[in-house]
Order: sequence, then C-alpha cells, then structure tokens
Amino acid sequence: EAGVAQSPRYKIIEKRQSVAFWCNPISGHATLYWYQQILGQGPKLLIQFQNNGVVDDSQLPKDRFSAERLKGVDSTLKIQPAKLEDSAVYLCASRHYRGRDNSPLHFGNGTRLTVT
Amino acid sequence: SQQGEEDPQALSIQEGENATMNCSYKTSINNLQWYRQNSGRGLVHLILIRSNEREKHSGRLRVTLDTSKKSSSLLITASRAADTASYFCATSGNTPLVFGKGTRLSVIA
Repeated sequence: EAGVAQSPRYKIIEKRQSVAFWCNPISGHATLYWYQQILGQGPKLLIQFQNNGVVDDSQLPKDRFSAERLKGVDSTLKIQPAKLEDSAVYLCASRHYRGRDNSPLHFGNGTRLTVT
Repeated sequence: SQQGEEDPQALSIQEGENATMNCSYKTSINNLQWYRQNSGRGLVHLILIRSNEREKHSGRLRVTLDTSKKSSSLLITASRAADTASYFCATSGNTPLVFGKGTRLSVIA
C-alpha cells in the first residue's frame, strides 16, 4: 500500500509570510493527524480529523494556524503569518479508525519549515 | 498529561550489544506504542503493548510494561548500525497519542 504523502519536502520563508502544507493519507484511513516536531523534541499534536470533522484542535494556535480536510481525504495545514518559532518539521499521520482501539499511526516524511 | 518520557535521552553502543530504553508516563493508558525515527524521516511504528499485557516480542525487539510503576522498556538485542535512530514511546488513553522527547540511539560499527 502507498504510504502517507506530504509536500513540499522543504520550505523556507520569511517571518510574516504564509505557507501551506499538503497531506494525502493512506487510502481508507479515516483519521488524520498533523504534528509539529521541533528539533530535538517529540511530535506535538496540532489537530486530529475524523473523516472531514475536527476531533481535537486544542493545541492548534488558531490565531495563525488553520487546517482543513474538505472531502475527508487530503488535508492542508496553513500558517499565516509565520513566526520564527514555527520553524519545525510538520508531520502528517493517518490511521484506520477502529473505535477506541488506537491502532498504529502511519507517518509521512514531513515538511521541514524554516522561517527566517 | 499522558506524555511519555524516555530515558536516557541519548545512548551510544557498539554493534552487537543490546540497547535498553525506558519510558515513564503519568496517567492510566489503553496501550503504549514505540516508534522509530530515522534522521529526516517520519516515525515508523515498531510495537504496541496493551495495558493488560506485560511483555511482547517482535523480532529483535522486546517490550515490557509495568502499569503499577507506569513504565515501559524497549530492548533491542544484537544491535546493528541500521538501528541508529531516535526512539519514541507514545501513550494512549481516551485522547490521541502523545509522544515523549525520545531516546537518540547511536550504534557504532
């Protein structure tokens, strides 16, 4: 099966600019996650979708970050305007929903964002 | 928070030796998962152990879980240079997976 696809692989922008990341999960995976991973740290959950609905966005900085999954498949994560502290790797993950059974997550290779 | 915390932060061993990493967490869990992350890549799931299990094996991996101590350990036997990576534990209860900061393992050939 094809893995989780993310693009772009790298992005360099200046502070206050906007940026968008794209994710295509594994076919049939209803649950999709966006994680932020700052260098040297573990991934931090930004938002979780179940099909096209938001399950958890409690740690998403909503004044500058937005995410959507309009048709319950692909997802985009946007930052507007970017700050220096947004420099990180943005990871998309998906899993096949099986109720409360937390089956493993499948991760993409991420987008490395550098804000200068 | 259910965040797992791995220990040690970094570990360097010779090829062929065993590597042991520990994970501690704070609240009750449904299961605990271990992931590996190679440099510049996403995380890859290694093994899942449920709260009613005490030990699980997968190839050269052995995971233990002690819910009374809220801790888990990951043992990699007969390590190889290709095992060089960061290893994360992730706990799940009624909320999405929460990851620790990871253990950076270096296996020297």
